[in-house]
Amino acid sequence: AQSVTQLGSHVSVSEGALVLLRCNYSSSVPPYLFWYVQYPNQGLQLLLKYTTGATLVKGINGFEAEFKKSETSFHLTKPSAHMSDAAEYFCAVSPDDKIIFGKGTRLHILP
Amino acid sequence: NAGVTQTPKFQVLKTGQSMTLQCAQDMNHNSMYWYRQDPGMGLRLIYYSASEGTTDKGEVPNGYNVSRLNKREFSLRLESAAPSQTSVYFCATDVLSAPGDEQYFGPGTRLTVT
Repeated sequence: AQSVTQLGSHVSVSEGALVLLRCNYSSSVPPYLFWYVQYPNQGLQLLLKYTTGATLVKGINGFEAEFKKSETSFHLTKPSAHMSDAAEYFCAVSPDDKIIFGKGTRLHILP
Repeated sequence: NAGVTQTPKFQVLKTGQSMTLQCAQDMNHNSMYWYRQDPGMGLRLIYYSASEGTTDKGEVPNGYNVSRLNKREFSLRLESAAPSQTSVYFCATDVLSAPGDEQYFGPGTRLTVT
């Protein structure tokens, strides 16, 4: 069965520092991959997705992710964290007509 | 456009009571989904409807029923609520339920069962 693993349920970074949220997937075929963000008391919204083509995907709010097939990874990065980035982030894979979500990583931004 | 709307936003039930969570979308999407979100568990799919007139079980369907009333509306019913159903429930939609389709989420319903 397809799955995603997010390393670290909580990640803290200082404002202005690099954000790196890790995601590994298990898949026997190249998957479709997503990152969603959930701000407090809201639903999820799409940050970015990888389907085919360029392996470096740019999303909203300065986030990007790189699909690395050899490492089965799809890590999310942002060069400089902002206080408004504090949220929960979900990596997800779509092997068929459904999406399978990881357990989430809560990002804390330290002033 | 409102996107995906859910009612109610909050609900407290006693064990054994029933209730229906409502979801509506104005995006003309074919597919609709119900998830529950619990701390440390991510989102788990309860039921989904790939198109009007069809519904299928997801990962955690026990204790729930659904109705795809029309293309716009997809309701989730708890016939006899249990404390284990305390959770945040999200409705989501996508265009065609195809691999790679992104999903659009409602704001959620926070349910507490005492």
